[in-house]
Amino acid sequence: GIQVEQSPPDLILQEGANSTLRCNFSDSVNNLQWFHQNPWGQLINLFYIPSGTKQNGRLSATTVATERYSLLYISSSQTTDSGVYFCAVRFVSGSQGNLIFGKGTKLSVKP
Amino acid sequence: DSGVTQTPKHLITATGQRVTLRCSPRSGDLSVYWYQQSLDQGLQFLIQYYNGEERAKGNILERFSAQQFPDLHSELNLSSLELGDSALYFCASSIGGSGEAFFGQGTRLTVV
Repeated sequence: GIQVEQSPPDLILQEGANSTLRCNFSDSVNNLQWFHQNPWGQLINLFYIPSGTKQNGRLSATTVATERYSLLYISSSQTTDSGVYFCAVRFVSGSQGNLIFGKGTKLSVKP
Repeated sequence: DSGVTQTPKHLITATGQRVTLRCSPRSGDLSVYWYQQSLDQGLQFLIQYYNGEERAKGNILERFSAQQFPDLHSELNLSSLELGDSALYFCASSIGGSGEAFFGQGTRLTVV
């Protein structure tokens, strides 16, 4: 069936370390977004990236649509990067517009 | 600030009661989506409206209903509340049925 899988489920880093989060999806997509859910529950848009590569400060993302995966890179991590990172996709063959979320990667950055 | 406004931020109510959650989308956005986030289920899609019409339905219980008004704001009505309905409810909006979606701050519902 239609799936969005994120790995790893949990990640603990020391401040200053780099990390790569992965999102695999099971079918063609016309939307892929990365979100950061902070400890207060807010879902913050990081990237809208159905294909290609984007960078925003210490964060960058790459989606290889033909191979059905996306990567989120976090460099020089800070304690404020802690939280849960979600990948969400809109499948071409799916319903009219809703995003389907992965289960997230819980990131803890230690000082 | 995403531009999507949800009220109230917190709500505590008793089992069996009915509540209404409100969402104002970003200016110019025609699509509104409702999601439920509970600890054991992750982020689940409930329902989508586009320009006042229901567009897609997810795992929305029959006790729940929603609508989008002519001014494009939306309301999610939850009735006969149960303990298991305690969750964070998000509203999101996008320009059309596709495109980048932006989420509100959520309404944290606690049913006691």
